[in-house]
Amino acid sequence: GENVEQHPSTLSVQEGDSAVIKCTYSDSASNYFPWYKQELGKGPQLIIDIRSNVGEKKDQRIAVTLNKTAKHFSLHITETQPEDSAVYFCAASLKYGGSQGNLIFGKGTKLSVKP
Amino acid sequence: GAVVSQHPSWVICKSGTSVKIECRSLDFQATTMFWYRQFPKQSLMLMATSNEGSKATYEQGVEKDKFLINHASLTLSTLTVTSAHPEDSSFYICSARRPPLVGETQYFGPGTRLLVL
Repeated sequence: GENVEQHPSTLSVQEGDSAVIKCTYSDSASNYFPWYKQELGKGPQLIIDIRSNVGEKKDQRIAVTLNKTAKHFSLHITETQPEDSAVYFCAASLKYGGSQGNLIFGKGTKLSVKP
Repeated sequence: GAVVSQHPSWVICKSGTSVKIECRSLDFQATTMFWYRQFPKQSLMLMATSNEGSKATYEQGVEKDKFLINHASLTLSTLTVTSAHPEDSSFYICSARRPPLVGETQYFGPGTRLLVL
């Protein structure tokens, strides 16, 4: 089955710098890759997602890139702010028949943005 | 993003009692809802997948008689932890997925923290 590896497990950056989190997946049939942000004591919040028919997607300071050949995708956060501090999870899923399969999650990256 | 609510947000109970957690999809009809469990500093562990009107599909190692799931409508799923014990203490998070025709994006609730004494 699908396996998702996420690196690094912890990341500390200075406010204003960029942060990059990388994930690799094992099943080349995976076609959907969301990223979630989880603050302490809260549920995960979807921040951006990408499907396999595109290579990059941006939403203000957040971008995701996908390399299907290498089977990896990355989250890029620019101009980081202290409120970006959280645990970030990547996930992957593939279609079975007519509907999307279950999300397979990475182990998470704890991002700390120092003011 | 879409809104998924959970109730209660936290619960403390005595060992042996049953606890029901409700999950509601507030602004879309979710044909599929999920229940996850999360231990401190760990990733999300899928417990079961529920489709409206049918029995839930449990992941390997999850006791279906222990964790009862009911997906009574397109906007409501419940998880009942029966005869709870201290080892059931955890953070339980539900999730709702949009139907296939509108992208199947998955949204999470705020979570329910369960403490069994």
